[in-house]
Formats: sequence, C-alpha cells, structure tokens
Amino acid sequence: DTEVTQTPKHLVMGMTNKKSLKCEQHMGHRAMYWYKQKAKKPPELMFVYSYEKLSINESVPSRFSPECPNSSLLNLHLHALQPEDSALYLCASSQVGPKGKLFFGSGTQLSVL
Amino acid sequence: EDKVVQSPLSLVVHEGDTVTLNCSYEVTNFRSLLWYKQEKKAPTFLFMLTSSGIEKKSGRLSSILDKKELFSILNITATQTGDSAVYLCAVDPGNTGKLIFGQGTTLQVKP
Repeated sequence: DTEVTQTPKHLVMGMTNKKSLKCEQHMGHRAMYWYKQKAKKPPELMFVYSYEKLSINESVPSRFSPECPNSSLLNLHLHALQPEDSALYLCASSQVGPKGKLFFGSGTQLSVL
Repeated sequence: EDKVVQSPLSLVVHEGDTVTLNCSYEVTNFRSLLWYKQEKKAPTFLFMLTSSGIEKKSGRLSSILDKKELFSILNITATQTGDSAVYLCAVDPGNTGKLIFGQGTTLQVKP
C-alpha cells in the first residue's frame, strides 16, 4: 500500500464554519506533512510532524490547527478561514531521515466563501 | 537564501518529441534532489538523485544530477499526451525537514 488518502476531496465552507481535513497512510511512515498549493504555484509547506510530534510550523495562522492522533493519521482543523485560504491542501508522508522521499495524497480542494 | 529554479516555465511539444527540463539550485546544504509529476492533484514521485553523474531511468524518463554545476535535467523521449503535466523539482537540504520546490515546468504534449 503506497497510498496517502485524503478526505474530503472537495470542501466549500463559510468564514464562520469549522471543518477538518483528514489524511491517512499505512506505509509505516513516521513523518507527515501538510502543504498548501495555490493555482500554478508549487506546494508550500505548512506543518511537519515527526514521530507524532509537531516539528515544523511555517508561521501558519492559528486558524489552521494540525493534529496527529497516531502514526497513521493527520488532521487539519479549520476555523474562521478567509477567502484567500482557498487552495489545494496536500498531505504527504515519508520516512524520517535520509531517503525520505515524500508520497503525496490527492489533496482537498478547499473553497472559502 | 536557498532557491530552486526550473526552466522553461512552460513548454508545448508534439507527440514523439524529446524534451529536456532543467532544474538549478542554490542551497546551503544538499541531501537529494527529487522530481515529481503533477497532473491534476497529487504530485507523484519520479526520481530521487543524490550522486552526481548517475542517471536514473524509468521507461522513457531519465534524470541526471550534476552536483558540481548544481543542476539536474529530466529527459522525456517519445513524448505522449499522457506526459502532459506540471513537473516539479525539489531539493532536500537534509537539515530542515522541508523540501525546497522550484516553480514547476508545465508541459503540454499535443497529438
């Protein structure tokens, strides 16, 4: 199983809503990532979890709240988002350390109205 | 500042053509360089290069790294319409836990 599964695939939310994005992998990877990608731009790193602990937060606004309940799951909780937060949100996983190439999920296309 | 620059930014070819995509980098630390293909959503892994001069090959795709000149190329021979995608180059500096992506090259292969 070399898949990273993300749900939902599409999400439309208002600025006052609370929603969560979910990501799951069963490759035994102990590093998991959230990326944000705007149209025609490369992915931008948001958060990195290593061994279920947050190791990198790229100065992401607090309206984005990550959670790693166990080694297979990664969530991104969303609250009071702005229209400019509309983007493709990609989850990825990798081994920790050398040779740790990233495997990406198909993403959640988020629209904030 | 660490950076990865890809060229060209976009390319239109016809089926059967051979294309070469370029990726140059300036980073303080280097562990590996990775190529990804992104068609609609998920970037899919193509190659990881760590050593100079060793060509990685998978079917019609191949890639090589030059650590002295700080660049990599991705070659696609006998292109097909299914090769149409954005090709992303990324460098893993190894000491930060984060990849540095280039802007991507958008390849369109016409029938």
